[in-house]
Amino acid sequence: GAVVSQHPSRVICKSGTSVKIECRSLDFQATTMFWYRQFPKKSLMLMATSNEGSKATYEQGVEKDKFLINHASLTLSTLTVTSAHPEDSSFYICSALTSGNRELFFGEGSRLTVL
Amino acid sequence: AQKITQTQPGMFVQEKEAVTLDCTYDTSDQSYGLFWYKQPSSGEMIFLIYQGSYDEQNATEGRYSLNFQKARKSANLVISASQLGDSAMYFCAISPSYGKLTFGQGTILTVHP
Repeated sequence: GAVVSQHPSRVICKSGTSVKIECRSLDFQATTMFWYRQFPKKSLMLMATSNEGSKATYEQGVEKDKFLINHASLTLSTLTVTSAHPEDSSFYICSALTSGNRELFFGEGSRLTVL
Repeated sequence: AQKITQTQPGMFVQEKEAVTLDCTYDTSDQSYGLFWYKQPSSGEMIFLIYQGSYDEQNATEGRYSLNFQKARKSANLVISASQLGDSAMYFCAISPSYGKLTFGQGTILTVHP
């Protein structure tokens, strides 16, 4: 089946630095990808919808200047957490929607820890 | 706007028994999809089952079945013959258009030997 890969799976960074997380569809083209954030034992909260070649659509309450999303190709969307702080520590998960039969696949998730 | 409510923070079941995980939803959309995902401790989201709002028959996928009661706005997941590997967090989700999901709070299922 289709595979969505996230990289890195785990990242630890210092407060104030920026971190980039990649979401890549390995064997299909995805014009639309979604980014979620999940705190431990909590629900997944949609952060933004990433559309190839256009600006991302952010959910209410999500800081677009802090969470930069770029979807420059049909197989890659990136989430950059800028000037990260400890409260940004979380599990970030992406999903990708196939163009044809409209199936949805999730990445393995990326765990960010900000010290 | 859509909302999913899972009222069971945790559930316990004996191996080989069946278990029902509750899910109720609220939406103003006429057409929508309901999903169940399993999330083991590794964090990956594993798709289990899907029910379309216009599907008249309850969805089934192997040991998973979805008890869809549209008038009551409920979409409970039934797992038959539970296995130790079923222990995980389970999420119910709704989508008015394919891809953009609203998740419930989740239910942690523990299967006892």
